Amino acid sequence: QSALTQPASVSGSPGQSITISCTGTSSDIGGYNYVSWYQQHPDKAPKLMIYDVSNRPSGVSDRFSGSKSGDTASLTISGLQPEDEADYFCSSYRTGSTPVVFGGGTKLTVL
Amino acid sequence: QVQLQESGPGLVEPSQTLSLTCSVSGGSISSGSYYWSWIRQPAGKGQEWIGRIYTSGSTNYNPSLKSRVTISLDTSTNQFSLKLSSVTAADTAVYYCARQVAAYLQFDYWGQGTLVTVSS
Repeated sequence: QSALTQPASVSGSPGQSITISCTGTSSDIGGYNYVSWYQQHPDKAPKLMIYDVSNRPSGVSDRFSGSKSGDTASLTISGLQPEDEADYFCSSYRTGSTPVVFGGGTKLTVL
Repeated sequence: QVQLQESGPGLVEPSQTLSLTCSVSGGSISSGSYYWSWIRQPAGKGQEWIGRIYTSGSTNYNPSLKSRVTISLDTSTNQFSLKLSSVTAADTAVYYCARQVAAYLQFDYWGQGTLVTVSS
């Protein structure tokens, strides 16, 4: 299984807000602020949505926000839109011999 | 706008070596502070980090694959490459190349991914 734990799926209606969690350990999420989130539509390249826990790259909608509490990071999408339907996965720096770890991904369905 | 594109055989026989190339456009792979990385995703599973090469040429590999992986940089063609030896069916996956920002560690640009199937 993946190093970081995410729910397999979440869903919401247009206009609602949803939150996707990503749980790690004190060796990764809990110990560092190098958490990033990615959006991936089918057969498309992943797109960076959040980096350093809560920073948005230029061009990413402010409906996307990130946070962290302890060993768990979260991605919140407000004002859900149909085009938000995609897979979302998290990544973090981890101390030790494997400096990059990923979550298993969460499928977001916009009802 | 930086763009990355993977290329290579879509089918590799067991015990052979998987070879992929990532072509980078819109920026030089020898400038800036970036890690040029390979990541893979088996069907129905999450991403797995394979390894990376810094603009200086230094490399880091996933310990679980280290004995079989080589990542190299070709500044003359603005490409970087992955070689994975002694492949088995467990190496069947979509392989992505990506650029990782060294200072903040996010992957800011990704390729579309290429499916590599290991089968005879």
